Amino acid sequence: KQEVTQIPAALSVPEGENLVLNCSFTDSAIYNLQWFRQDPGKGLTSLLLIQSSQREQTSGRLNASLDKSSGRSTLYIAASQPGDSATYLCAVRPQAGTASKLTFGTGTRLQVTL
Amino acid sequence: GAVVSQHPSRVICKSGTSVKIECRSLDFQATTMFWYRQFPKKSLMLMATSNEGSKATYEQGVEKDKFLINHASLTLSTLTVTSAHPEDSSFYICSARDLYEWDQTTGEQETQYFGPGTRLLVL
Repeated sequence: KQEVTQIPAALSVPEGENLVLNCSFTDSAIYNLQWFRQDPGKGLTSLLLIQSSQREQTSGRLNASLDKSSGRSTLYIAASQPGDSATYLCAVRPQAGTASKLTFGTGTRLQVTL
Repeated sequence: GAVVSQHPSRVICKSGTSVKIECRSLDFQATTMFWYRQFPKKSLMLMATSNEGSKATYEQGVEKDKFLINHASLTLSTLTVTSAHPEDSSFYICSARDLYEWDQTTGEQETQYFGPGTRLLVL
């Protein structure tokens, strides 16, 4: 059974800092990995999706990397802003197919202070 | 982009009553929708996969008679929490994949769109 863990569980940084969020998964046989953002009491917003054949994806100040063989992914946030404060979730998809289910990580609660 | 809505956004009910939560894909069609449950400061746990026109597939440990799922059309899935109890209080989120959104490279439906969630409080 796939297990997805995120470290740290919570993180507080001053505005402007670069930071790295970690995601690890136990079964390396994945189809893709996705990073989401969740604001308190809200649904999920997709940030980046990395296919199993890819090493990284970038969107603006966000960069996600994937090392499938070691079961790890990182989300790098450059020049953090207070608006980045949210919970960040990674999720792995085991296989292709419409009904293929995501397994979510435990999440990292990020607070960026002024 | 594609939008998924949920109704209601929050509901308070008495113990023993049933509550229906709707999940709608507003501008796309979905043969498959997913229902998740999230406890405070915890991650999302998949409850069931909702299949249009057929029975839902429930995850291990989820009572299908307790959480009734109906996916009667390509744009609507409903989750009914029957005889709700305080332990059913939670945040329920649905998601869907666009039936006609296929990645040109992989040939797969890559993107899963999530609803804003429904907060249920059972007194």
